[in-house]
Amino acid sequence: DAGITQSPRYKITETGRQVTLMCHQTWSHSYMFWYRQDLGHGLRLIYYSAAADITDKGEVPDGYVVSRSKTENFPLTLESATRSQTSVYFCASRGRRLAGSYEQYFGPGTRLTVT
Amino acid sequence: AQKITQTQPGMFVQEKEAVTLDCTYDTSDQSYGLFWYKQPSSGEMIFLIYQGSYDEQNATEGRYSLNFQKARKSANLVISASQLGDSAMYFCAMREGDLTGGGNKLTFGTGTQLKVEL
Repeated sequence: DAGITQSPRYKITETGRQVTLMCHQTWSHSYMFWYRQDLGHGLRLIYYSAAADITDKGEVPDGYVVSRSKTENFPLTLESATRSQTSVYFCASRGRRLAGSYEQYFGPGTRLTVT
Repeated sequence: AQKITQTQPGMFVQEKEAVTLDCTYDTSDQSYGLFWYKQPSSGEMIFLIYQGSYDEQNATEGRYSLNFQKARKSANLVISASQLGDSAMYFCAMREGDLTGGGNKLTFGTGTQLKVEL
C-alpha cells in the first residue's frame, strides 16, 4: 500500500535491550524524520535524514541511532533501552502538496513501553 | 524560550460554533512556515493547514483558516462550524529557515485538546 508505515505498532521491551523501530515510505520522499511524543512535550524531533546516507540530530538524539541505506527506509534503534524512552514514536516524510508548504506526512506511530 | 507556545491545554466548543486555537511563535528567521496538525484519539497526525512567512493572505482550507498576525507572532487556527469529529488534539508547528537541511525540521507546541459538545 502507498504511504508511510511503521512496525511494530506496539512493542514492550526490557531495560537494556536493543530495539529497532522500522519506517517505510513509498513516495520516494527525500526527507524523513523520527519524533517522539510525550505528554506535556508535544512532538520532539529525534533524528532526520535528507537523503540516503545523510542523517542529522534533532532535539533529543541521545540513546538513539539511525541509518538510511535506502531512500524508502529509515529505521530507529534504541541501543540500550531505558524507561525514559517509553513513548509513542512517529516517523514522517516531507512532501509537497501545495507550493511552498512542504508538510510532513506521518506514519501511524509505534507505542513503545520499556519495563 | 519556547519556540511554539499553545496556552490552551483544553477547549470546549458547541457544535456548529466557531472556535479559535491560539499559537504564538518565536523566531529570528525571515523565512519560516507555520503548520497545524490534528491528532484524533486514534493517534494519527493529520496535516490541516500551512502559512508561509511571506504569504500576504491568511491561509484557508475548507472550514479551517489560519489567522496570521506576523507582527504579533501569532498563527491562530480558526475552525468554523465545529463538528463532533473535530474533537481532537491540535498541534501548532513551525519550520525555520530555508528548505535545505535543518530548515525542514519542525518544532511543535504542546497541543490543545478540543472537545466539541452537542
